[in-house]
Amino acid sequence: GAVVSQHPSRVICKSGTSVKIECRSLDFQATTMFWYRQFPKQSLMLMATSNEGSKATYEQGVEKDKFLINHASLTLSTLTVTSAHPEDSSFYICSARPGTGVKAFFGQGTRLTVV
Amino acid sequence: EDKVVQSPLSLVVHEGDTVTLNCSYEVTNFRSLLWYKQEKKAPTFLFMLTSSGIEKKSGRLSSILDKKELFSILNITATQTGDSAVYLCAVDTGTASKLTFGTGTRLQVTL
Repeated sequence: GAVVSQHPSRVICKSGTSVKIECRSLDFQATTMFWYRQFPKQSLMLMATSNEGSKATYEQGVEKDKFLINHASLTLSTLTVTSAHPEDSSFYICSARPGTGVKAFFGQGTRLTVV
Repeated sequence: EDKVVQSPLSLVVHEGDTVTLNCSYEVTNFRSLLWYKQEKKAPTFLFMLTSSGIEKKSGRLSSILDKKELFSILNITATQTGDSAVYLCAVDTGTASKLTFGTGTRLQVTL
């Protein structure tokens, strides 16, 4: 079955530094990938839609300069949290769908802790 | 604004009980409704529903969609401790294939 791989699974960084999270579709091409954020005991909140070869589409309230998204190939999207602060600490998950109207597959998630 | 609401928010049951989780939605464009189970990390897929009245079943889990009343239920019979998780409902609105998730129902099954 389709697999989405996300890396790293866990990262701890110092306040003010930047962190890059990778999301790869391993056996299908994904022109679109999605980045979610999840706070403890809360549901998935869509941050942005990553579009291959073009700019990402950000949800209302999500700072595009803070959460940089690059989707340079059909199998890889990256999310960079720039100048991270403790309030950016969260669980970030990516997902991709092999096509329209089919189920979405999720990466393993990345737990970011900013100290 | 598209909205997906799940109830209850949390639930504690004894092993062997049957539970029903609810998901209602208000969206401008409906393509499908999906159920996911989330334990510690990434959600895992359970069901995708597109048509009203057709029950999807997998072992002790089953789900059905009512497009007239705009809701879906997820049933789990003979619950086990391994069913403890957060169950997420999501609606595909067909807008760039993105999913709108509900708040989730946290299920805890005790011995």
